[in-house]
Amino acid sequence: QQQVKQSPQSLIVQKGGIPIINCAYENTAFDYFPWYQQFPGKGPALLIAIRPDVSEKKEGRFTISFNKSAKQFSLHIMDSQPGDSATYFCAASKIRGFGNEKLTFGTGTRLTIIP
Amino acid sequence: DAGVTQSPTHLIKTRGQQVTLRCSPISGHKSVSWYQQVLGQGPQFIFQYYEKEERGRGNFPDRFSARQFPNYSSELNVNALLLGDSALYLCASSLGSGSEQYFGPGTRLTVT
Repeated sequence: QQQVKQSPQSLIVQKGGIPIINCAYENTAFDYFPWYQQFPGKGPALLIAIRPDVSEKKEGRFTISFNKSAKQFSLHIMDSQPGDSATYFCAASKIRGFGNEKLTFGTGTRLTIIP
Repeated sequence: DAGVTQSPTHLIKTRGQQVTLRCSPISGHKSVSWYQQVLGQGPQFIFQYYEKEERGRGNFPDRFSARQFPNYSSELNVNALLLGDSALYLCASSLGSGSEQYFGPGTRLTVT
């Protein structure tokens, strides 16, 4: 059962544009939602994360918007650059105490920023 | 500060063989998790260890096992390798208190 659905599968945006990647989750017990960036041949790098007590979080050019009632969250990248071209994964987990932090990942979005 | 390190970087094994992958967490992190990432997909959770105890197990067969050592490093073992075990194996570390997980570069396992 896929618990985190991610769209689109791929996205091409011109430099300076604002790519938006969307995720939807099913498990209402999830209470932590990170986004990861992965370059070919590398491990995922944590970009930004949000908890459901806020509706938006910004860190630099990256913004997460969170809609608890719709069980959806999205990543926006402001002033996108060719160096942002990578695969982006959303994830979710339920924090169940110390050392119990299983992440459930979406299927990924391959983002290409063209000059 | 050094990030999560994994060894080896690449590995080629034959069906039926056994493999051991190693992970060293970020200094101060007591939790280590293992994920399998098949090409074109998101990582899938295999195990989490905290303070040397297994705290979570994903939907993987008993051929997969892991352990965590007193210095918080960890090993993932896979027995009786199948072609479908070919993947990038990722290790992530965290403080363990509901905090962020940081991933290593992964070990690329190819089973022929």
